[in-house]
Amino acid sequence: SYELTQPTSVSVSPGQTASITCSGDKLVNKYVCWYQLRPGQSPLMVIYQDKKRPSGIPERFSGSTSGNTATLTISGTQALDEADYYCQAWDSSAVVFGGGTKLTVL
Amino acid sequence: QLQLRESGPGLVKPSETLSLTCTVSGGSIRRDIYYWGWIRQPPGKGLEWIGSINYSGSTYYNPSLKRRVTISVDTSKSRFSLKLNSVTAADTAVYYCARHYAIVGDYNNWLDPWGQGTLVTVSS
Repeated sequence: SYELTQPTSVSVSPGQTASITCSGDKLVNKYVCWYQLRPGQSPLMVIYQDKKRPSGIPERFSGSTSGNTATLTISGTQALDEADYYCQAWDSSAVVFGGGTKLTVL
Repeated sequence: QLQLRESGPGLVKPSETLSLTCTVSGGSIRRDIYYWGWIRQPPGKGLEWIGSINYSGSTYYNPSLKRRVTISVDTSKSRFSLKLNSVTAADTAVYYCARHYAIVGDYNNWLDPWGQGTLVTVSS
C-alpha cells in the first residue's frame, strides 16, 4: 500500500520558520493537502492541492513541492501553531495520510 | 456554513458492531463533486481513513478495513452512517466525519470541513 513519510517531530522558535516535509513514491504526480490537529479540536485543512490556502487560513501557512517531496512551511510561527500536522494524498482510490508531525514551538 | 456532527454510542462491546451517524447541515449532501467520509484516530496514533460515500451510494473503502465496514447514505435526512463489525480494542478511537472532495480521475482530493469527532471505546 502507498505510504507518505513525515518527520515525527519538528521544533521551532517563535517568530521563526517551520518546515514539515512529506515524501512518497511518485508523489510528484499527485496532489497533497495538509491538516492541523490541535488537542481537543477538529482537524483543520490548512493547504490543499499542494499550495492553495483555504479561506480563513493565515498567509503564514504555505505549501510547496519538489520532486517527490511536499513541504508545509509556517512563516513567523506563533505559539498557537503548536499542533500535529498531517499530509494527505490520494492513491489507488484511497485516502492516504502521512504519519503526522508534532510541531513544537519553544 | 457547512457543519457535520457525529452521533452514536460511546461504548461498544468486543465482537459487536460499531454504528455512527453523521448529520450534515448548512449545505446539501447532494453534490456531484463531494463524497462524505469517515476517519478515525486511535489514542496516541495518527489519522486513518475508513471510507467515503457519495449521495448516490458510490463508495470507496480503506482496503485494510473493507471486510468489516459498511457506509450508507440517507439523503432525505441529510446524513450518512458507518457500521464497523467485529470490533476489538484496536478499534477504540475518535471517529470523525468530513466532507470529501473527490472526482474520478483527479488527484486533487481533500477532506474539509470535519465534524468535532466522537470517542468510541471498545470494552466489555
